[in-house]
Amino acid sequence: EVQLVDSGGDLVQPGRSLRLSCAASGFTFGNYAVNWFRQAPGNGLEWVGVIRSKAHGGTTDYAASVKDRFTISRDDSKSIAFLQMNSLKTEDTAVYYCARGRTWVDYWGQGTLVTVSS
Amino acid sequence: EIVLTQSPGTLSLSPGERATLSCRASQTVIGSSLAWYQQRPGQAPRLLIYDASTRATGIPDRFSGSGSGTDFTLTISRLEPEDFAVYYCQQHGDSPPTTFGQGTKLEIK
Repeated sequence: EVQLVDSGGDLVQPGRSLRLSCAASGFTFGNYAVNWFRQAPGNGLEWVGVIRSKAHGGTTDYAASVKDRFTISRDDSKSIAFLQMNSLKTEDTAVYYCARGRTWVDYWGQGTLVTVSS
Repeated sequence: EIVLTQSPGTLSLSPGERATLSCRASQTVIGSSLAWYQQRPGQAPRLLIYDASTRATGIPDRFSGSGSGTDFTLTISRLEPEDFAVYYCQQHGDSPPTTFGQGTKLEIK
C-alpha cells in the first residue's frame, strides 16, 4: 500500500527555521518526484515546490513566495523527502502536505501543521 | 502563471442529483493538463481526474471530466452522501508553477 507520512510541524517564532519530513512506503520512492503543498487555515491549496526524481535530473523548483527561503531535498536510500524552511513568516502558517508525482499527484501525506507566531 | 477560476463558489444539491463544476483558465492549458481533486474536511486532497478526463485509480465512474483549452468541467452524475466536499482543479503542465483554482464547495441542499 502506498503511504506518505508527513511530520515535523510545530509552533515556531517568526524568523526561525523548521524541517518537515515526508516518509514514503509501498513504492519505489526514487522513481517519483515529490511535491510539497500547503493550505492556510480556511484557504485553498498552494504549491510550495517540487523535487524531481534522479531520472529527471533531481532538480527542484519553488513557488515565488518561498524561493530562497525553503529547500527541498531527498534521500532515496531511506525513501524520505525533506522541506527545510528558513526565515519563517507568519504567512507561512499552514498545513503542509507532501505528495507523489511530477505533475498531477496521486498520493498525499496526511499533512502536518506549521504555525508561525510570536 | 495560469490563473484558474472555479464556479460556482458553492453548489447546493441533493443526493441523487447531477453536479456540474466549472474551471476556467486565464490562458490555454497545454495538453489538457488539468486535474481535479476532492477534499473532505480534515483530510488531504484526493485525486479524481487527470489530463482533463482520465479517472484516477479507484475513482467511481459517476465522476467524469471534460474540456480543453481554457474551459474544463467536472461532472458527478448522481451524487452520493460522501461526495459533498470541496473540489479543486489544478493545471499540471510540465513547467512550474502548478496552480489551483480557489475551490467549489458542494453542499447538501
